Amino acid sequence: GQNIDQPTEMTATEGAIVQINCTYQTSGFNGLFWYQQHAGEAPTFLSYNVLDGLEEKGRFSSFLSRSKGYSYLLLKELQMKDSASYLCAVPGGATNKLIFGTGTLLAVQP
Amino acid sequence: DSGVTQTPKHLITATGQRVTLRCSPRSGDLSVYWYQQSLDQGLQFLIQYYNGEERAKGNILERFSAQQFPDLHSELNLSSLELGDSALYFCASSAGQGTYEQYFGPGTRLTVT
Repeated sequence: GQNIDQPTEMTATEGAIVQINCTYQTSGFNGLFWYQQHAGEAPTFLSYNVLDGLEEKGRFSSFLSRSKGYSYLLLKELQMKDSASYLCAVPGGATNKLIFGTGTLLAVQP
Repeated sequence: DSGVTQTPKHLITATGQRVTLRCSPRSGDLSVYWYQQSLDQGLQFLIQYYNGEERAKGNILERFSAQQFPDLHSELNLSSLELGDSALYFCASSAGQGTYEQYFGPGTRLTVT
């Protein structure tokens, strides 16, 4: 089966950098996703990592270590609009259904 | 805008009733997934269809059913509704079974009173 752990809440300051961690356990690995979800809205895709290392995409970067079952999402130059839940997810089984963590609620303060 | 549409946006109904939620995937996407998000829980996978056929089931109640039609839109039917069924229901689509990125629709907020 799959198991995903993320911190429940984090707080950071506007303009700063924040790192949101995710640990996972899966039977078979087909990559790891990060999604952003504002309250009451749809999750939006941020990143997909299948190989070890860091992938940068503008202010957001995502890191994966398959041997450690560990990923993080790095948000730079935080803006107030980055206040949202950040969801870590892995595909479960052969059918690509996504297994989500409970999400990390990030609050960006002035 | 992800290209996935869902209707209705909001739905308020009474216990014991039956409702149908509708989803149209992005143009060209063959896979449709349904997820439930309750206040106290994260996104929970319910069911997946690929090109009209059921491919995977998650923790979907027997009172719930779904189908995908030849035009690839999908419907999620919820019957004998209970207060605990109140949640956001999201539909997502992806191009195929080998393509993992899923695009989510805006969701249907169901309130059972």
